[in-house]
Amino acid sequence: DGGITQSPKYLFRKEGQNVTLSCEQNLNHDAMYWYRQDPGQGLRLIYYSQIVNDFQKGDIAEGYSVSREKKESFPLTVTSAQKNPTAFYLCASSTPGGGSIEAFFGQGTRLTVV
Amino acid sequence: AQTVTQSQPEMSVQEAETVTLSCTYDTSESDYYLFWYKQPPSRQMILVIRQEAYKQQNATENRFSVNFQKAAKSFSLKISDSQLGDAAMYFCAYRRWAGNTPLVFGKGTRLSVIA
Repeated sequence: DGGITQSPKYLFRKEGQNVTLSCEQNLNHDAMYWYRQDPGQGLRLIYYSQIVNDFQKGDIAEGYSVSREKKESFPLTVTSAQKNPTAFYLCASSTPGGGSIEAFFGQGTRLTVV
Repeated sequence: AQTVTQSQPEMSVQEAETVTLSCTYDTSESDYYLFWYKQPPSRQMILVIRQEAYKQQNATENRFSVNFQKAAKSFSLKISDSQLGDAAMYFCAYRRWAGNTPLVFGKGTRLSVIA
């Protein structure tokens, strides 16, 4: 079945540590996105990538980094510079044509700083 | 930059009744897409309905329909015959027409369904 897989589902981080959230898709989508969800804040865009080896900052990129070495994969690293990383993180992908213009989402990763 | 506003943080509806969730947006573009996503307690984002701005006819998907008012930049979601399974967070989202661009989301409306 085609879809987006995020791992792990739950992640705990000690202060000062970097952690990497995985996102893999087998939908053959060109674009991939990372959103952060906090209570009452909706979904806010962290980074997005429209093609391999290229990505752009979203509205809240500070303290995060990404890479896009393969079309299928778009990992997100939460660095120690992110002062308030506890949140729910959603990865999504999309394609510009073919009658399917919506974004498809993974099941999310809940990150908690301990 | 485009913005999406959902002015109702919480709503409730009796089972089998109808409820309307509001959404307004701001854009200077004439062509774009609008969406309603549902996020149940599992937190999986599920597409409910979508609307292309060039289409005058309002989109409908079974019990879900929209009232798209382009001039007013309004995109409300009507849920008819509400069911317990409709209880969720609902997000309105905007996407530019051109290119493979990110969706811009509102802050969401939490819908409770009362048995």
